[in-house]
Amino acid sequence: DAGVIQSPRHEVTEMGQEVTLRCKPISGHNSLFWYRQTMMRGLELLIYFNNNVPIDDSGMPEDRFSAKMPNASFSTLKIQPSEPRDSAVYFCASTSGQGLYEQYFGPGTRLTVT
Amino acid sequence: GENVEQHPSTLSVQEGDSAVIKCTYSDSASNYFPWYKQELGKRPQLIIDIRSNVGEKKDQRIAVTLNKTAKHFSLHITETQPEDSAVYFCAASPLGGYNKLIFGAGTRLAVHP
Repeated sequence: DAGVIQSPRHEVTEMGQEVTLRCKPISGHNSLFWYRQTMMRGLELLIYFNNNVPIDDSGMPEDRFSAKMPNASFSTLKIQPSEPRDSAVYFCASTSGQGLYEQYFGPGTRLTVT
Repeated sequence: GENVEQHPSTLSVQEGDSAVIKCTYSDSASNYFPWYKQELGKRPQLIIDIRSNVGEKKDQRIAVTLNKTAKHFSLHITETQPEDSAVYFCAASPLGGYNKLIFGAGTRLAVHP
């Protein structure tokens, strides 16, 4: 199993540009989580899906952030327009559910907005 | 909603000493408490976890204890080694939250040779 896959691994963009982060969960996992990690705010849960349905997006900081999960093997997190304060490492994690709680994290995407 | 507080924020020990990190949670219905280790530039990885029906769990040099009444849980690392140096995060999973985790702020552990 390849584990959770995220792309790109690094993204540098200018303020105002649209950014799309991608995640492929572990096959068979039915819950997917998006986190943002910064020194100031730690590891924040942004949104999570269960069986491709968004369950709780209360962690999404602003309307500039949106996430989708069109099928069980793919999710995107989009920021439009991006701002310098969005610079962070964004992690995607998945879990199989069914009483098994361990979340498996992807390698993360380091986003820098200049 | 659930809130998790973690202390200390930094911890420095000599190789061979023990290290203890403590967390408290607010939601008495939370039922799963994992600990993740994150090395510099890497992803968080689960090192040990405990469920609410268990008071203590041990895996070689690491152990976790849970006090449900007081709503706190702790990570204990014995005989620390330089490779234990990392940031450690505790988390709690609220009941009915589809396995979502609320993380503490993290503890940066430095083990000096």
